[in-house]
Amino acid sequence: DSGVTQTPKHLITATGQRVTLRCSPRSGDLSVYWYQQSLDQGLQFLIQYYNGEERAKGNILERFSAQQFPDLHSELNLSSLELGDSALYFCASSVEAGGSYNEQFFGPGTRLTVL
Amino acid sequence: DQQVKQNSPSLSVQEGRISILNCDYTNSMFDYFLWYKKYPAEGPTFLISISSIKDKNEDGRFTVFLNKSAKHLSLHIVPSQPGDSAVYFCAASGRYGGSQGNLIFGKGTKLSVKP
Repeated sequence: DSGVTQTPKHLITATGQRVTLRCSPRSGDLSVYWYQQSLDQGLQFLIQYYNGEERAKGNILERFSAQQFPDLHSELNLSSLELGDSALYFCASSVEAGGSYNEQFFGPGTRLTVL
Repeated sequence: DQQVKQNSPSLSVQEGRISILNCDYTNSMFDYFLWYKKYPAEGPTFLISISSIKDKNEDGRFTVFLNKSAKHLSLHIVPSQPGDSAVYFCAASGRYGGSQGNLIFGKGTKLSVKP
């Protein structure tokens, strides 16, 4: 158990809909990262928050957004969903803001299926 | 453009033998490398890491070797056990402009250890 929690574990929805994925980092971690893993793909970095502020952006679509709240939990919002958004979405957390020597600890993921 | 490559999608090894998983990278600014293990329906679990100032790091049955001149690292598991069967991801990070030190992942190698 990494100490990172994600809800829900599974989510099935229809095209055009909007969903929210939730992540609680490990106790004491200030950074939260979101990753997408599509079929046969590695983990693609989407976005990072550190202590409530956006720190870095990766390959995140404009239809996707995220935020980190004062209690440090984070939410990833996916809107106007398309079939291709079906994937595993992982949240990770770390103590530091980023940079080297900074292991990230992953949650169990949310499997999103768009029908 | 894949900066971290794991060219072997799968590897099968007999129990008790050595497993060698390989990873190549292209960005010479990477200075920290990590291996994660992932079981089905779980998030990636941090396994071992190495900084660019070292060429070897060992933790029990797991050893990571780094060859900076070849931009290549490998993970050795000795002896391999059936419980090691999982997907192994190589990841890299570095402190360079725009990176924020975020992890760049390879696509993974599925290791099967046969009894």
